[in-house]
Amino acid sequence: ETGVTQTPRHLVMGMTNKKSLKCEQHLGHNAMYWYKQSAKKPLELMFVYSLEERVENNSVPSRFSPECPNSSHLFLHLHTLQPEDSALYLCASSPKPGGYGYTFGSGTRLTVV
Amino acid sequence: DQQVKQNSPSLSVQEGRISILNCDYTNSMFDYFLWYKKYPAEGPTFLISISSIKDKNEDGRFTVFLNKSAKHLSLHIVPSQPGDSAVYFCAASAGLNFGNEKLTFGTGTRLTIIP
Repeated sequence: ETGVTQTPRHLVMGMTNKKSLKCEQHLGHNAMYWYKQSAKKPLELMFVYSLEERVENNSVPSRFSPECPNSSHLFLHLHTLQPEDSALYLCASSPKPGGYGYTFGSGTRLTVV
Repeated sequence: DQQVKQNSPSLSVQEGRISILNCDYTNSMFDYFLWYKKYPAEGPTFLISISSIKDKNEDGRFTVFLNKSAKHLSLHIVPSQPGDSAVYFCAASAGLNFGNEKLTFGTGTRLTIIP
């Protein structure tokens, strides 16, 4: 256990479904991130939150909607996804935005059918 | 445009020998570099890092070398052990001192240690 917990570990959803991914950290970190890992591609940054405010959105389609209610929790709400959205979604946190002290969760393996 | 490149998708090394994983980058603003290790069904875990003011950082069996002029870094693992079998990601950050830059990752290299 790294200190960053993601649920569920696996998720299969239809293209018309609505689901949410959850991330929780109790490391006292102030920044949280969503990354997407597709096969044979680099980890792609989706969203950055610093002190519960979104500071970066890397042109992610609106069918992905993040929510950060407090500095310990981060959600990724999913609706009307496409099969190409199937990937490993990783949450990470760090003391502050930037490259230092990143801690990743184990990820949610998402399959869109 | 991929700013961090790991051109070898896989590498096999005999147990006890040296493993060398390579990473190239294109953004001259990158000043902090990290290596992450990832086992199946787990998230990446931090392994070792190096700041651009150094050209070498060592931690036990792991050493990272940075060649700024060539925009190249490498991770050396010696001696290699079966537990080192994993996917290794290179990552880079610009303006770390300002604390407001994201990590850019490479595509990863799958290292297999052969007993």
